[in-house]
Amino acid sequence: GAGVSQSPRYKVAKRGQDVALRCDPISGHVSLFWYQQALGQGPEFLTYFQNEAQLDKSGLPSDRFFAERPEGSVSTLKIQRTQQEDSAVYLCASSPLGTGFNEQFFGPGTRLTVL
Amino acid sequence: GENVEQHPSTLSVQEGDSAVIKCTYSDSASNYFPWYKQELGKGPQLIIDIRSNVGEKKDQRIAVTLNKTAKHFSLHITETQPEDSAVYFCAASWWEGAQKLVFGQGTRLTINP
Repeated sequence: GAGVSQSPRYKVAKRGQDVALRCDPISGHVSLFWYQQALGQGPEFLTYFQNEAQLDKSGLPSDRFFAERPEGSVSTLKIQRTQQEDSAVYLCASSPLGTGFNEQFFGPGTRLTVL
Repeated sequence: GENVEQHPSTLSVQEGDSAVIKCTYSDSASNYFPWYKQELGKGPQLIIDIRSNVGEKKDQRIAVTLNKTAKHFSLHITETQPEDSAVYFCAASWWEGAQKLVFGQGTRLTINP
């Protein structure tokens, strides 16, 4: 079946603009994660959903970052008033179960460039 | 919180030789250690993982070892091939709370033909 998909793949925003990044997880996957990957670095955790519930948002860097998953499937990461330091690849991952150790399946990411 | 250190940052080996990447972690409560391969323009892909109740795991040319006492784990790739060229990330996780992964900084592996 299809893997995790993300759109858009590339986004260029002017400083101060709002952006919305979409993640379509693998169908039926309970858990959904967002990570931020700066150039040349490992991914860093942003937030985690189990179905529609956002159980952990400790990694969101500021209140300009907001994520939602209203129906427990598609998720959107929104960044308000973008800053240059927000430039990064935003990765979405899903896994099939709510607890325990599960393989996280990653999407290709959205590369955000803030000018 | 957990901190994962990975080295080397770059590694170049001749085709057919072995490659070893090492990681250390700080939180003794971590008990799940996956390794991901990331190719240019793609998301990370799991290649092997190990849980703290075992010391070694092998899958064809790839193996991972874990030393819980020293809090380090390593990835071993034997008989390297050009398609092994990529960036490799180690990660650590723990049972309590969400299953978020804490990643190392990555190793860019280049296989020279």
